[in-house]
Amino acid sequence: GAVVSQHPSRVICKSGTSVKIECRSLDFQATTMFWYRQFPKQSLMLMATSNEGSKATYEQGVEKDKFLINHASLTLSTLTVTSAHPEDSSFYICSAGSGLAGALGEETQYFGPGTRLLVL
Amino acid sequence: GDSVTQMEGPVTLSEEAFLTINCTYTATGYPSLFWYVQYPGEGLQLLLKATKADDKGSNKGFEATYRKETTSFHLEKGSVQVSDSAVYFCALRDTGRRALTFGSGTRLQVQP
Repeated sequence: GAVVSQHPSRVICKSGTSVKIECRSLDFQATTMFWYRQFPKQSLMLMATSNEGSKATYEQGVEKDKFLINHASLTLSTLTVTSAHPEDSSFYICSAGSGLAGALGEETQYFGPGTRLLVL
Repeated sequence: GDSVTQMEGPVTLSEEAFLTINCTYTATGYPSLFWYVQYPGEGLQLLLKATKADDKGSNKGFEATYRKETTSFHLEKGSVQVSDSAVYFCALRDTGRRALTFGSGTRLQVQP
């Protein structure tokens, strides 16, 4: 099946610094990528939907100036956590949709392995 | 809004035991329902899905039936193996949306 990679898998940073997480679809083109956040023992929460060549759509309550998303190509989306603080520590997961137009119910999303961020 | 509730884990079973992981949902439209599995160190993988009421999704011995009357999509397997040890997520995609709404995940541990 299709593969989605994330880099890095784990990152530790100091408070106030910025961290960039990459999400790549390795063997297919993804017009849309999704960024999720997961707290321990909780659901994956959708943060934003990233569309290639256009601005991301953020979910209510997600600060777009803090979580910068860039989807510059059909195989790469990046999430930058700006001025990170300890409360941003979490597990960030991306997924890429195969994008079957007009058949939303049949689209399969492929998930990356996640990036664990720890802000000290 | 949409939500998915699934049983808390961990669920610990012996090999060849019967598995049920409960999942119920609320949605504003007519959602598609999914079960995803996450093996240690890997990304979520689609296990099975159902797109309308009374559909049964099945894969690798796992089954789940879309029950609209009880808003449920319980995951079952007749005989689990050690290799089934993983975290299982129930999810839905509501009408007109591409993103998924997930449950909190249930960790399954199968002992030899």
